Amino acid sequence: SQTIHQWPATLVQPVGSPLSLECTVEGTSNPNLYWYRQAAGRGLQLLFYSIGIDQISSEVPQNLSASRPQDRQFILSSKKLLLSDSGFYLCAWSMTGGNTIYFGEGSWLTVV
Amino acid sequence: GQQLNQSPQSMFIQEGEDVSMNCTSSSIFNTWLWYKQDPGEGPVLLIALYKAGELTSNGRLTAQFGITRKDSFLNISASIPSDVGIYFCAGLLSGNTPLVFGKGTRLSVIA
Repeated sequence: SQTIHQWPATLVQPVGSPLSLECTVEGTSNPNLYWYRQAAGRGLQLLFYSIGIDQISSEVPQNLSASRPQDRQFILSSKKLLLSDSGFYLCAWSMTGGNTIYFGEGSWLTVV
Repeated sequence: GQQLNQSPQSMFIQEGEDVSMNCTSSSIFNTWLWYKQDPGEGPVLLIALYKAGELTSNGRLTAQFGITRKDSFLNISASIPSDVGIYFCAGLLSGNTPLVFGKGTRLSVIA
């Protein structure tokens, strides 16, 4: 069966520091991968999605970036965090051409 | 871009009551999904709907894919305390387009 795992689960970072959140999917190949952000008590905002290695679409201009160095690995990065980057970050996957997505456990980021 | 209007934004109900929430869109979708998110966790898929008019149940949950393909509702019967959480609807046009999410319905159940 397929599983998705993201880490770290919680992170407290100072303003201006870099960020790296990692996500991996097991049990499938060539998945579509996604990064969402959820501000406290708010809805889900799609940040990036990828349909293949080095194929990444950005939905919202910001100081975050995403990379997909391997088929089942998706990384969310920032060179310099802002206070407004605080939130709950969710990685998700779906099968190629699939119509259901599945979420990871989430990563809480607090920028101080 | 596509947007989903999900309502109500929040609900406070007594344990044992039935709950109904819905999502509407100005454009059509080919798939409707309903998720539940517990505090501090990722959303979990509850029900997936793939065909206009489809009515699907999962235990006390029932969801329908509207005939016009522009709406969907979720009903929860005989609510219990563990139903507390945020419920999200999501629509999908095709397999390689991202899901469009509603803003969520926050459900609180009073014992």
